[in-house]
Amino acid sequence: DVKVTQSSRYLVKRTGEKVFLECVQDMDHENMFWYRQDPGLGLRLIYFSYDVKMKEKGDIPEGYSVSREKKERFSLILESASTNQTSMYLCASSFLPGDNFAPKDTQYFGPGTRLTVL
Amino acid sequence: QKEVEQNSGPLSVPEGAIASLNCTYSDRGSQSFFWYRQYSGKSPELIMFIYSNGDKEDGRFTAQLNKASQYVSLLIRDSQPSDSATYLCAVNLWRDDKIIFGKGTRLHILP
Repeated sequence: DVKVTQSSRYLVKRTGEKVFLECVQDMDHENMFWYRQDPGLGLRLIYFSYDVKMKEKGDIPEGYSVSREKKERFSLILESASTNQTSMYLCASSFLPGDNFAPKDTQYFGPGTRLTVL
Repeated sequence: QKEVEQNSGPLSVPEGAIASLNCTYSDRGSQSFFWYRQYSGKSPELIMFIYSNGDKEDGRFTAQLNKASQYVSLLIRDSQPSDSATYLCAVNLWRDDKIIFGKGTRLHILP
């Protein structure tokens, strides 16, 4: 069973704080993703990573950075939190080479972090 | 801009009836198609994937794919109140490990 965990379910921060959201997957997946989800806007891709120490910008990278120092861990960083970054943040992982059960781009999600910035 | 379109709903279906959810996509090169279910306040969970034209059945769920029409659907038979959720359609991008999600259809099963 694929398991993706996120460091917090709920988080409250103040404007200007540096915020770290952590994601860990235990399935040896190659790819990891960070999304935010807002009502009416659906899932929007912030950053993704195809390998350790590699990162690619998604559709809305402004105000965010990421770090992937180990294969199983992908961190999202809000350098200086702002109120418009209040959202649900979702981490996902995909692709285990040699796994023929599902398409390689099948994504599995963590439980999400509901971040509120005051 | 590659897109996945879904009717936002809400779609109201009586308990025990068939719920039909539809999705269209713009990337003709897409090969993999997914349906996720998302309960309010929770994260999306994978229900089914399909990559061949035709139907794929899994319990009460049937995914239907028509690549010529760029159309994917999900049928839920014998709908239960526990099926009330938002259903997200997702499609892979040609030569990419990413998938694009639709904004979802809210389904409400009426007891």
